[in-house]
Amino acid sequence: AQSVTQLDSQVPVFEEAPVELRCNYSSSVSVYLFWYVQYPNQGLQLLLKYLSGSTLVKGINGFEAEFNKSQTSFHLRKPSVHISDTAEYFCAVSVPGAGSYQLTFGKGTKLSVIP
Amino acid sequence: DTAVSQTPKYLVTQMGNDKSIKCEQNLGHDTMYWYKQDSKKFLKIMFSYNNKELIINETVPNRFSPKSPDKAHLNLHINSLELGDSAVYFCASSQDKGWGTEAFFGQGTRLTVV
Repeated sequence: AQSVTQLDSQVPVFEEAPVELRCNYSSSVSVYLFWYVQYPNQGLQLLLKYLSGSTLVKGINGFEAEFNKSQTSFHLRKPSVHISDTAEYFCAVSVPGAGSYQLTFGKGTKLSVIP
Repeated sequence: DTAVSQTPKYLVTQMGNDKSIKCEQNLGHDTMYWYKQDSKKFLKIMFSYNNKELIINETVPNRFSPKSPDKAHLNLHINSLELGDSAVYFCASSQDKGWGTEAFFGQGTRLTVV
């Protein structure tokens, strides 16, 4: 079975500062990796995903993430955050080719951008 | 056009009641899901249907029964509601079994059992 650990439950950061949200995963097989964002009172929206190829993945809203297989990490970064980035961020994995498809989520990181 | 829509958005009900949450997707996807998000924001899959066939049924009390009348709809019926059922329930869909594709989520149904 696979699991996802998001090391920080809350990350406060000042507007225009850089941010990194950390995600580590555990799996005995190869996985696909995702970052989703949940704005207040809304559903989840895909930010970016890693399936294969280049380990640096760019997503929407200026976010990017780097897959590091040796460290089993998939940290999310943004060089300069805006107030509108305040939201809950979820890292997730799925196992390609598994008999049934499901996303396994981490517990989320609440990003608060301070003006 | 809303891709994945759930109704109702809020549901307040008493213990012991039976309630349903409806979900519809207009994306032409083959696979639909129900996820539960608890008070600590933790998301866990409950059910998954592919072309109206149940493919995931996680450890969920049998008071929860999904129903898929067609591949665009996946409804969730809950019998004998308990306080611990209070949560936000998200419907989602993806193309095929979608391992590498995006799952599209509805806006959630906040269920409060009193």
